[in-house]
Amino acid sequence: AQTVTQSQPEMSVQEAETVTLSCTYDTSENNYYLFWYKQPPSRQMILVIRQEAYKQQNATENRFSVNFQKAAKSFSLKISDSQLGDTAMYFCRSGGYQKVTFGTGTKLQVIP
Amino acid sequence: DTEVTQTPKHLVMGMTNKKSLKCEQHMGHRAMYWYKQKAKKPPELMFVYSYEKLSINESVPSRFSPECPNSSLLNLHLHALQPEDSALYLCASSNSDRRGTEAFFGQGTRLTVV
Repeated sequence: AQTVTQSQPEMSVQEAETVTLSCTYDTSENNYYLFWYKQPPSRQMILVIRQEAYKQQNATENRFSVNFQKAAKSFSLKISDSQLGDTAMYFCRSGGYQKVTFGTGTKLQVIP
Repeated sequence: DTEVTQTPKHLVMGMTNKKSLKCEQHMGHRAMYWYKQKAKKPPELMFVYSYEKLSINESVPSRFSPECPNSSLLNLHLHALQPEDSALYLCASSNSDRRGTEAFFGQGTRLTVV
């Protein structure tokens, strides 16, 4: 079974500051992938960043980076230099073979 | 073209109506998905099509009927829905249904059943 837990239902951050969203997961698979998706009010789910579990190096995509702690089954997302356009729901997702599990989401508000 | 296009964007239907949701992608992806998302909740997987064949049905009631006419199109036929079926329906595609593939999502159809 796969479970994904996001313990922060809502967060806020000042524009230009840094914020970290947490995600923990549990999986019985050895090879898996982890993702962060962003869903702004426009509704479209947008892939932010992806991490391959067999890679020790943390993924980075411009202002977005992850802190992947495999032993602790933790996969947090750090957003640097927060922008107003980062305001959205953020979902953590685990990816196994044909099995997809989303976390419950964190609503992030960037304050001007 | 990295778009997944869903039509209509909004749909209101009665419980006795028959309607269809449409999804189209031109990225050459071989896997397509339907998700249901209630307000403030994560998406829930409904169906997976792989190479135009239904590979996963997550115990979805028969009033939802998926169809994949070709590799670019995915439909969801709706009949005799209930008010609790009101939700955002998201379509997604990926270049494989294997692990780790990133999925591209459409903007969804906001369905209201009255």
